[in-house]
Amino acid sequence: KNQVEQSPQSLIILEGKNCTLQCNYTVSPFSNLRWYKQDTGRGPVSLTIMTFSENTKSNGRYTATLDADTKQSSLHITASQLSDSASYICVVSLSGAGSYQLTFGKGTKLSVIP
Amino acid sequence: DAGVTQSPTHLIKTRGQHVTLRCSPISGHKSVSWYQQVLGQGPQFIFQYYEKEERGRGNFPDRFSARQFPNYSSELNVNALLLGDSALYLCASSLVEGLYYEQYFGPGTRLTVT
Repeated sequence: KNQVEQSPQSLIILEGKNCTLQCNYTVSPFSNLRWYKQDTGRGPVSLTIMTFSENTKSNGRYTATLDADTKQSSLHITASQLSDSASYICVVSLSGAGSYQLTFGKGTKLSVIP
Repeated sequence: DAGVTQSPTHLIKTRGQHVTLRCSPISGHKSVSWYQQVLGQGPQFIFQYYEKEERGRGNFPDRFSARQFPNYSSELNVNALLLGDSALYLCASSLVEGLYYEQYFGPGTRLTVT
């Protein structure tokens, strides 16, 4: 069964600190991996998207890494801000003719406190 | 340029009733996907439509159906509502279908079944 597992489930950090979120996946065949930010009750917003040949991709204070051999990814947030408080969801795209489904993890709920 | 729009934003229905949710993709986007997100979980893929044809279907019962119109907007229909159908329903659009494409999510419709 294709799965995406994220850790930790939730995280509380002080404003200005860095943090790293983890994602392990078993989706096969793998097309690409994305990280989304989702504010409560809102739709997810894309942060990064990486194919299997990419090891790292940055978007401002967000840096995602991918190890396609171990099927692991991480999202590193630098100098956190209060507005970073949200759920961060790891999403893996399944490749295959006629099917472009996205498999979502359950997300890591990040709370940034003053 | 307007993003993905969904209507209504909130909806309360009774068990056994029928519901229709609507989605307008970003102008020029031809692919629309629907997801169900139960509280505390990641989104689950329901359908993908491209050029008015169903291109993918997730593991949902036949009570769920959808269609895409010539203007690329889409409707998700759910019959015989169950309490477990209570969720945030997300619509996402993309320019084309393919292995490396960006999906843009709408704000979602919050459905509550009582």
